[in-house]
Amino acid sequence: NAGVTQTPKFRILKIGQSMTLQCAQDMNHNYMYWYRQDPGMGLKLIYYSVGAGITDKGEVPNGYNVSRSTTEDFPLRLELAAPSQTSVYFCASTHLTAGANVLTFGAGSRLTVL
Amino acid sequence: AQSVTQLGSHVSVSEGALVLLRCNYSSSVPPYLFWYVQYPNQGLQLLLKYTSAATLVKGINGFEAEFKKSETSFHLTKPSAHMSDAAEYFCAVSVFGNEKLTFGTGTRLTIIP
Repeated sequence: NAGVTQTPKFRILKIGQSMTLQCAQDMNHNYMYWYRQDPGMGLKLIYYSVGAGITDKGEVPNGYNVSRSTTEDFPLRLELAAPSQTSVYFCASTHLTAGANVLTFGAGSRLTVL
Repeated sequence: AQSVTQLGSHVSVSEGALVLLRCNYSSSVPPYLFWYVQYPNQGLQLLLKYTSAATLVKGINGFEAEFKKSETSFHLTKPSAHMSDAAEYFCAVSVFGNEKLTFGTGTRLTIIP
């Protein structure tokens, strides 16, 4: 059981380049999320999805785009990378039911923009 | 909107001593509260959660937390620290019907041998 798989684990980009962070889950979860983690700032929600074909912005969506064409996959696209996007990115998923929902996290993708 | 505040970005305790990590929440409706742990170079994993049942919640690895509505707190404790407890700990909040989890800024726990 793989859980949530993120690729790549590490990436260095030049300013202005674009890339896609991949996220896949095999738990048939309906909800998926992208967070970024910066030192001393905790985790900030970038985008989330409540199901295939449905996405919505979180706290810090600027400079990012997402799509959800299948239940399993939720890629995060960075357009025109900037140094402010240097961060560790986490994908997470859950199956939303009545009550508190526990997120399953991927291992993270560390991105450096130079 | 709901939020959590973690007091103390860094906490150091001696091995065998009490661990106390503080979290206060703000929510206009009854909250769900969580503690997650992040070991170096890993994702977050759930320690415990509060869902309006028992106010004292027991989690993995000997951790527990008590929900105190009067103090709007959900502090994490462990009676005796172990070296393997060294990690970053995040408090988080959500509410029924809101699919977004809001995290605190984290507390890095260091264990002194």
